[in-house]
Amino acid sequence: EPEVTQTPSHQVTQMGQEVILRCVPISNHLYFYWYRQILGQKVEFLVSFYNNEISEKSEIFDDQFSVERPDGSNFTLKIRSTKLEDSAMYFCASSARGVSEAFFGQGTRLTVV
Amino acid sequence: DQQVKQNSPSLSVQEGRISILNCDYTNSMFDYFLWYKKYPAEGPTFLISISSIKDKNEDGRFTVFLNKSAKHLSLHIVPSQPGDSAVYFCAASGRGSGSARQLTFGSGTQLTVLP
Repeated sequence: EPEVTQTPSHQVTQMGQEVILRCVPISNHLYFYWYRQILGQKVEFLVSFYNNEISEKSEIFDDQFSVERPDGSNFTLKIRSTKLEDSAMYFCASSARGVSEAFFGQGTRLTVV
Repeated sequence: DQQVKQNSPSLSVQEGRISILNCDYTNSMFDYFLWYKKYPAEGPTFLISISSIKDKNEDGRFTVFLNKSAKHLSLHIVPSQPGDSAVYFCAASGRGSGSARQLTFGSGTQLTVLP
């Protein structure tokens, strides 16, 4: 069964460092998303991506964040200068259509120290 | 700003009985609703969805009911099995959120099915 895959599963980084989280969405999907879940809190929307550009972004997705689809299969989230409060599980998701279920990856646990 | 609310953080049910998980929403622009199941250290797994043009959708042991006038939906699991023990998230998407339709999640309900 097709699935969304994310790497790495766990990333530890020092505050102020740049991190890149990687995702391979399901191959025939057109919509891509990043969500995050801080420990004990809700799953929160960060950004959606369609037709090679950002479709929507939340207030969380500030100038420190960027997304890219560099090669037609990978979908990356970059955090330029990490802060302690960026520590969270980051989930990539993809969907075939806008109004449909999104399929999630297993997540990357980001720990900023 | 809790647009999607799951007021019960936990629910325990005996194996074989019905589990009913509830969800309320406030945003009248929401027109598509989903339930996800999540195990620790894994991503959310899609279970079932319902469009606002329907009031019920069934898939095997899982049935979702939507009451638009009350802005309420519920997930019924019959019969409940120990493997159903997980956190269940209600999510919604709606008009005005662009073509990509991001999801707004509730805070989740931990379901424990006792053998």
